[in-house]
Amino acid sequence: AQSVSQHNHHVILSEAASLELGCNYSYGGTVNLFWYVQYPGQHLQLLLKYFSGDPLVKGIKGFEAEFIKSKFSFNLRKPSVQWSDTAEYFCAVNPPSGTYKYIFGTGTRLKVLA
Amino acid sequence: DGGITQSPKYLFRKEGQNVTLSCEQNLNHDAMYWYRQDPGQGLRLIYYSQIVNDFQKGDIAEGYSVSREKKESFPLTVTSAQKNPTAFYLCASLGLAGSGELFFGEGSRLTVL
Repeated sequence: AQSVSQHNHHVILSEAASLELGCNYSYGGTVNLFWYVQYPGQHLQLLLKYFSGDPLVKGIKGFEAEFIKSKFSFNLRKPSVQWSDTAEYFCAVNPPSGTYKYIFGTGTRLKVLA
Repeated sequence: DGGITQSPKYLFRKEGQNVTLSCEQNLNHDAMYWYRQDPGQGLRLIYYSQIVNDFQKGDIAEGYSVSREKKESFPLTVTSAQKNPTAFYLCASLGLAGSGELFFGEGSRLTVL
């Protein structure tokens, strides 16, 4: 079945540690890829997106993600996390053109210890 | 301020009752969405609408209904046929000019007693 997979459900890190959250999708063809973040008590907001071009995209708050087409992956990274990065992170895919569907992964809860 | 307004924020309902969740946007966006968020399951698509008077089922449409009579409004009805309606419901709209970005409301938490 077509899906978006996030393998890390809960991640706990100390401040200044590096972060990598995995995202894999099973759609063929051209897709648009996104990472959204939900801070405690706040609404979901866009972190970064990839449509085409440079597979390494940079987003807000020092986050970046790398699209690897051969691996159907779009992993999120941050070199040094802060306590304020504590949140839930969602990977999302907009399948090949012609559809307005946006499919989300199951999310990863990140807790950063001060 | 421009944005998406969902109401009510919290709602309690007895089993067997239908309930309608409101979603209004003043962003002039054409496409709107309803998602259900459950712990450990992420966001699952219930219904989406590309334009007024048109909508499509998402992955978990059973037990839900929607209407799109106005561009600004996309209400979701949780019917008594929905077997497990207690959840957090999120409404979103799609940014203009091919931005691809979804803008989310703050959500409505429905509890069935």
